[in-house]
Amino acid sequence: QLLLTQSPSASASLGASVKLTCTLSSGHNTYAIAWHQQQPGKGPRYLMKVNSDGSHRKGDGIPDRFSGSSSGAEHYLTISSLQSEDEADYYCQTWDTGLWVFGGGTKVTVL
Amino acid sequence: QVQLVESGGGLVKPGGSLRLSCAASGFTFSDYYMSWIRQAPGKGLEWISYITSGVTTISYADVVKGRFTISRDNAKKSLYLQMNSLRAEDTAVYYCARSWKVTEIDYWGQGTLVTVSS
Repeated sequence: QLLLTQSPSASASLGASVKLTCTLSSGHNTYAIAWHQQQPGKGPRYLMKVNSDGSHRKGDGIPDRFSGSSSGAEHYLTISSLQSEDEADYYCQTWDTGLWVFGGGTKVTVL
Repeated sequence: QVQLVESGGGLVKPGGSLRLSCAASGFTFSDYYMSWIRQAPGKGLEWISYITSGVTTISYADVVKGRFTISRDNAKKSLYLQMNSLRAEDTAVYYCARSWKVTEIDYWGQGTLVTVSS
C-alpha cells in the first residue's frame, strides 16, 4: 500500500534552517513526491516536486530558501533562513494510477 | 494568473445532499486533470476524487465511493462535486485542485466549508 510518513512537528529559530522528512512506504522508493505548505487559516500552496533522483522543480514564486532532495525512500524539504511566515503545516503528496496520497503533515514552529 | 474558486458549501443535515462548484480561470481548463481534496477540522489533507481532462477516467477514494459524484464542464471551466448521503464525518473544508495528469497538484483553491450536523 502506498503511504507517506511525516514527523508531526519540527521547530527551529528565526533565521536558522529546518529539514523535513517524508518517507515512502516499502516498495515505492522510486516514486516522486510533492511538497505543499499550508499557513494558518489558508488553503494549501504547492512548493515543489521532488523526483527520486533528488532533482526538484519549484512552483511559481517559491523563494530560493526552499529546496528539495531525496535519498532512497526518504524525501526532504529544507527551509533555510527561516522567516516567521514559514510557520505552517507542510504536507507531502504522491500519486499512483487512480489515486493521490498525502502524508499526515509536519507542523513547523519558528522559535 | 491561475485561480480556482470553490463555492456551494454550507450546513446540511445527515443524509442530505450538497453540490460544490469550482470555477477556474487563468489557464486552459480542458487540458488539466482536476481533483477534490478535503480537510476535516484540525486534520490533514485527504484526496477524495479526480477526473481526467476529457472525462475519460474518474476515480474516488473508498470513503466516498457510491455517495459522491465528480463532474466537469470544460466549456464553463467548472468542476463539480455532488455529495449525497452526507455523514457527520464528511464535515471538512473541500478544496479543488489541478494537476497535469496523475502527478503533483500544482494549484489549489481557497476551499469551501461543508458542515454535516443535525
